[in-house]
Amino acid sequence: AAGVIQSPRHLIKEKRETATLKCYPIPRHDTVYWYQQGPGQDPQFLISFYEKMQSDKGSIPDRFSAQQFSDYHSELNMSSLELGDSALYFCASSLGALAGASGENEQFFGPGTRLTVL
Amino acid sequence: AQSVTQLDSQVPVFEEAPVELRCNYSSSVSVYLFWYVQYPNQGLQLLLKYLSGSTLVKGINGFEAEFNKSQTSFHLRKPSVHISDTAEYFCAVSVQGAQKLVFGQGTRLTINP
Repeated sequence: AAGVIQSPRHLIKEKRETATLKCYPIPRHDTVYWYQQGPGQDPQFLISFYEKMQSDKGSIPDRFSAQQFSDYHSELNMSSLELGDSALYFCASSLGALAGASGENEQFFGPGTRLTVL
Repeated sequence: AQSVTQLDSQVPVFEEAPVELRCNYSSSVSVYLFWYVQYPNQGLQLLLKYLSGSTLVKGINGFEAEFNKSQTSFHLRKPSVHISDTAEYFCAVSVQGAQKLVFGQGTRLTINP
């Protein structure tokens, strides 16, 4: 079965550079979530999109932005990178409920993008 | 706001022994509860979830968990572990109308031969 695809799998950047992470959800999934997992930490919710609209927002820095495109893939754009941005970035996808996405819908996680900022 | 506490950061057990990974949550509204497993250098895989109904939930790989509303707990159990169960286990909650998962700090399960 098709899974969530994330690219690139590994990314090395210098401080103050920009990075773009891509996420391709499972076919027919209309909801995408982004999480950040620092070294030895639990995943922290950043942002989510349902039907191409932002649906929830967590602890996402102002330097980061994201969007969901017409084909439901999503991109996380990160600017002015800092050392503390080094982390594993997960994307997850799910099917949103007809009346709006609900917390009960299972989220399927991608393998993650490991970002290292030097 | 919701929060999740996993009481043990590390749990070492011997192969074929039973194991329980503890999870407590805090929420002012009804929650959905999940356990995810993360193998080294991999993403998160859903083990099981509680949405409603029976408080005993069975998942993949022989794991089960019991929802206890009065104790606000959702402990994960397996009667006999295998070396391949070595991984990080995360308890998570979400609420109706909100999409995000709130994770606990994780429990590293180490299986010794």
